[in-house]
Amino acid sequence: EVRLEESGGGLVQPGRSLRLACEGSGFTFENYAMHWVRQVPGKGLEWVAGISWHGHSLGYAKSVKGRFTISRDDAQNSLFLEMNSLRPEDTALYHCAKHMGSQWFGDPTGLDVWGRGTTVNVS
Amino acid sequence: DIQLTQSPSFLSASVGDRVTITCRASQDIARFLAWYHLKPGNAPNLLIYAASTLQSGVPSRFSGSGSGTDYTLTISSLQPEDFGIYYCQQLNDYPLTFGGGTRVEIK
Repeated sequence: EVRLEESGGGLVQPGRSLRLACEGSGFTFENYAMHWVRQVPGKGLEWVAGISWHGHSLGYAKSVKGRFTISRDDAQNSLFLEMNSLRPEDTALYHCAKHMGSQWFGDPTGLDVWGRGTTVNVS
Repeated sequence: DIQLTQSPSFLSASVGDRVTITCRASQDIARFLAWYHLKPGNAPNLLIYAASTLQSGVPSRFSGSGSGTDYTLTISSLQPEDFGIYYCQQLNDYPLTFGGGTRVEIK
């Protein structure tokens, strides 16, 4: 079964840091671009960050650029999101998602596998 | 940033109805568009990618069309399990963006 499972969420004070992790299974993790997408109740989905299959290309939403860092460890089939200088507006359910292709943008194939998410509450 | 405007933001329809949701981009996205379905408590589910390609395992009542800046998701015969929120996403340019969502209610 193809699966993604997030961890690391929790309650944190403004200005503090948190590190999210996502473990993939059932597919060749290293071959695919990966993303973090957050879901704020009543406000929809927001793309947060993406990373290419080899990790050489990264991208961030303007709202998190300079504060968040996406990374991957293909040996552990894992994706990470280091979140610094957290703000109340970062409160959300954070999903990791697998891209069908190897590039995180400029590839029209979409995000085909999603985890159930981990909740971050900045308060 | 490319803005995606979905309409309507809410619709209520009966089982068996034909439902159409539109997504308009602020610039040409060259069919680099995906559609997702989100149900409460679940992760988003990819329905359509590259504007019109049906994702494996998705029922054939779902279809996508469009080009340039205007795209459409159609459900040919609405089923009870189709309630939830539908989102479009553009993957043509950085940063990736989602539409505001369309909430579908079953009458």
